[in-house]
Amino acid sequence: KAGVTQTPRYLIKTRGQQVTLSCSPISGHRSVSWYQQTPGQGLQFLFEYFSETQRNKGNFPGRFSGRQFSNSRSEMNVSTLELGDSALYLCASSFPGTGERTEAFFGQGTRLTVV
Amino acid sequence: GENVEQHPSTLSVQEGDSAVIKCTYSDSASNYFPWYKQELGKRPQLIIDIRSNVGEKKDQRIAVTLNKTAKHFSLHITETQPEDSAVYFCAARLFTGGGNKLTFGTGTQLKVEL
Repeated sequence: KAGVTQTPRYLIKTRGQQVTLSCSPISGHRSVSWYQQTPGQGLQFLFEYFSETQRNKGNFPGRFSGRQFSNSRSEMNVSTLELGDSALYLCASSFPGTGERTEAFFGQGTRLTVV
Repeated sequence: GENVEQHPSTLSVQEGDSAVIKCTYSDSASNYFPWYKQELGKRPQLIIDIRSNVGEKKDQRIAVTLNKTAKHFSLHITETQPEDSAVYFCAARLFTGGGNKLTFGTGTQLKVEL
C-alpha cells in the first residue's frame, strides 16, 4: 500500500510570491491534515479536510488556505509569501476520518524556503 | 484550545539504559495520545498510541502510560539502542464531531550513546 505522497519535496520561492503544495493520502483515507514544522515552533496544525470540507482550522493567517478534491487529494496554498513561512510542510492522512481512533500517517513533507 | 507540554527537550542516555519522556495536556476532553519518532530528514513515524480508556500500553521495548486525572502521559523506552536516537513528539487529540486535529509537544531530542 502506497504511503502519503507530497509534492514537490523542495521549493524555493521569493517573498510576495504564492505557492501550492500537494498531498495524496493513503488509498481509502478521507481525512487530510496539514502541519507546519519549524525548529522554533515545532509542529503546528494548519487545517484538516474531510470529504472536501474544511473540518478544523489552526491559528494561521488567511494567506494559508487549502482544499480537497473528490479523490481525497489535498492542496495547500500560501499567498504573499513571507520569510517566516520557510518551513517543512507536512500532511497527514487518516482513515476512516470519523470515530474515536484515527491514526495519522505523515508524508515526507515539502521543504519551502522563502528568500 | 488544547496545549501540550513536553519534557525534557533533550535527553542523553547510555546504550542499554531506559529513557522516559513526559507530556502534559490541558484539555481533559482529549481522548487519543500518539507518539511519533522523527529521524533527521525524515517524516514523523507513529511508534505507539494510547486511548483515554486505557492506562498503559506496551509494544516490545516501548511503553506508554496515561494518567487522566493528572492529565499527563509518558513514553518509556527500555534497553535503548543507537537507532533509537531521534526526536520524539507526543500529541493529544480532542475528539470534536470527528475532527482530527493533533496538538503536538515541542519534541525531545533523544541521543543514545555507545
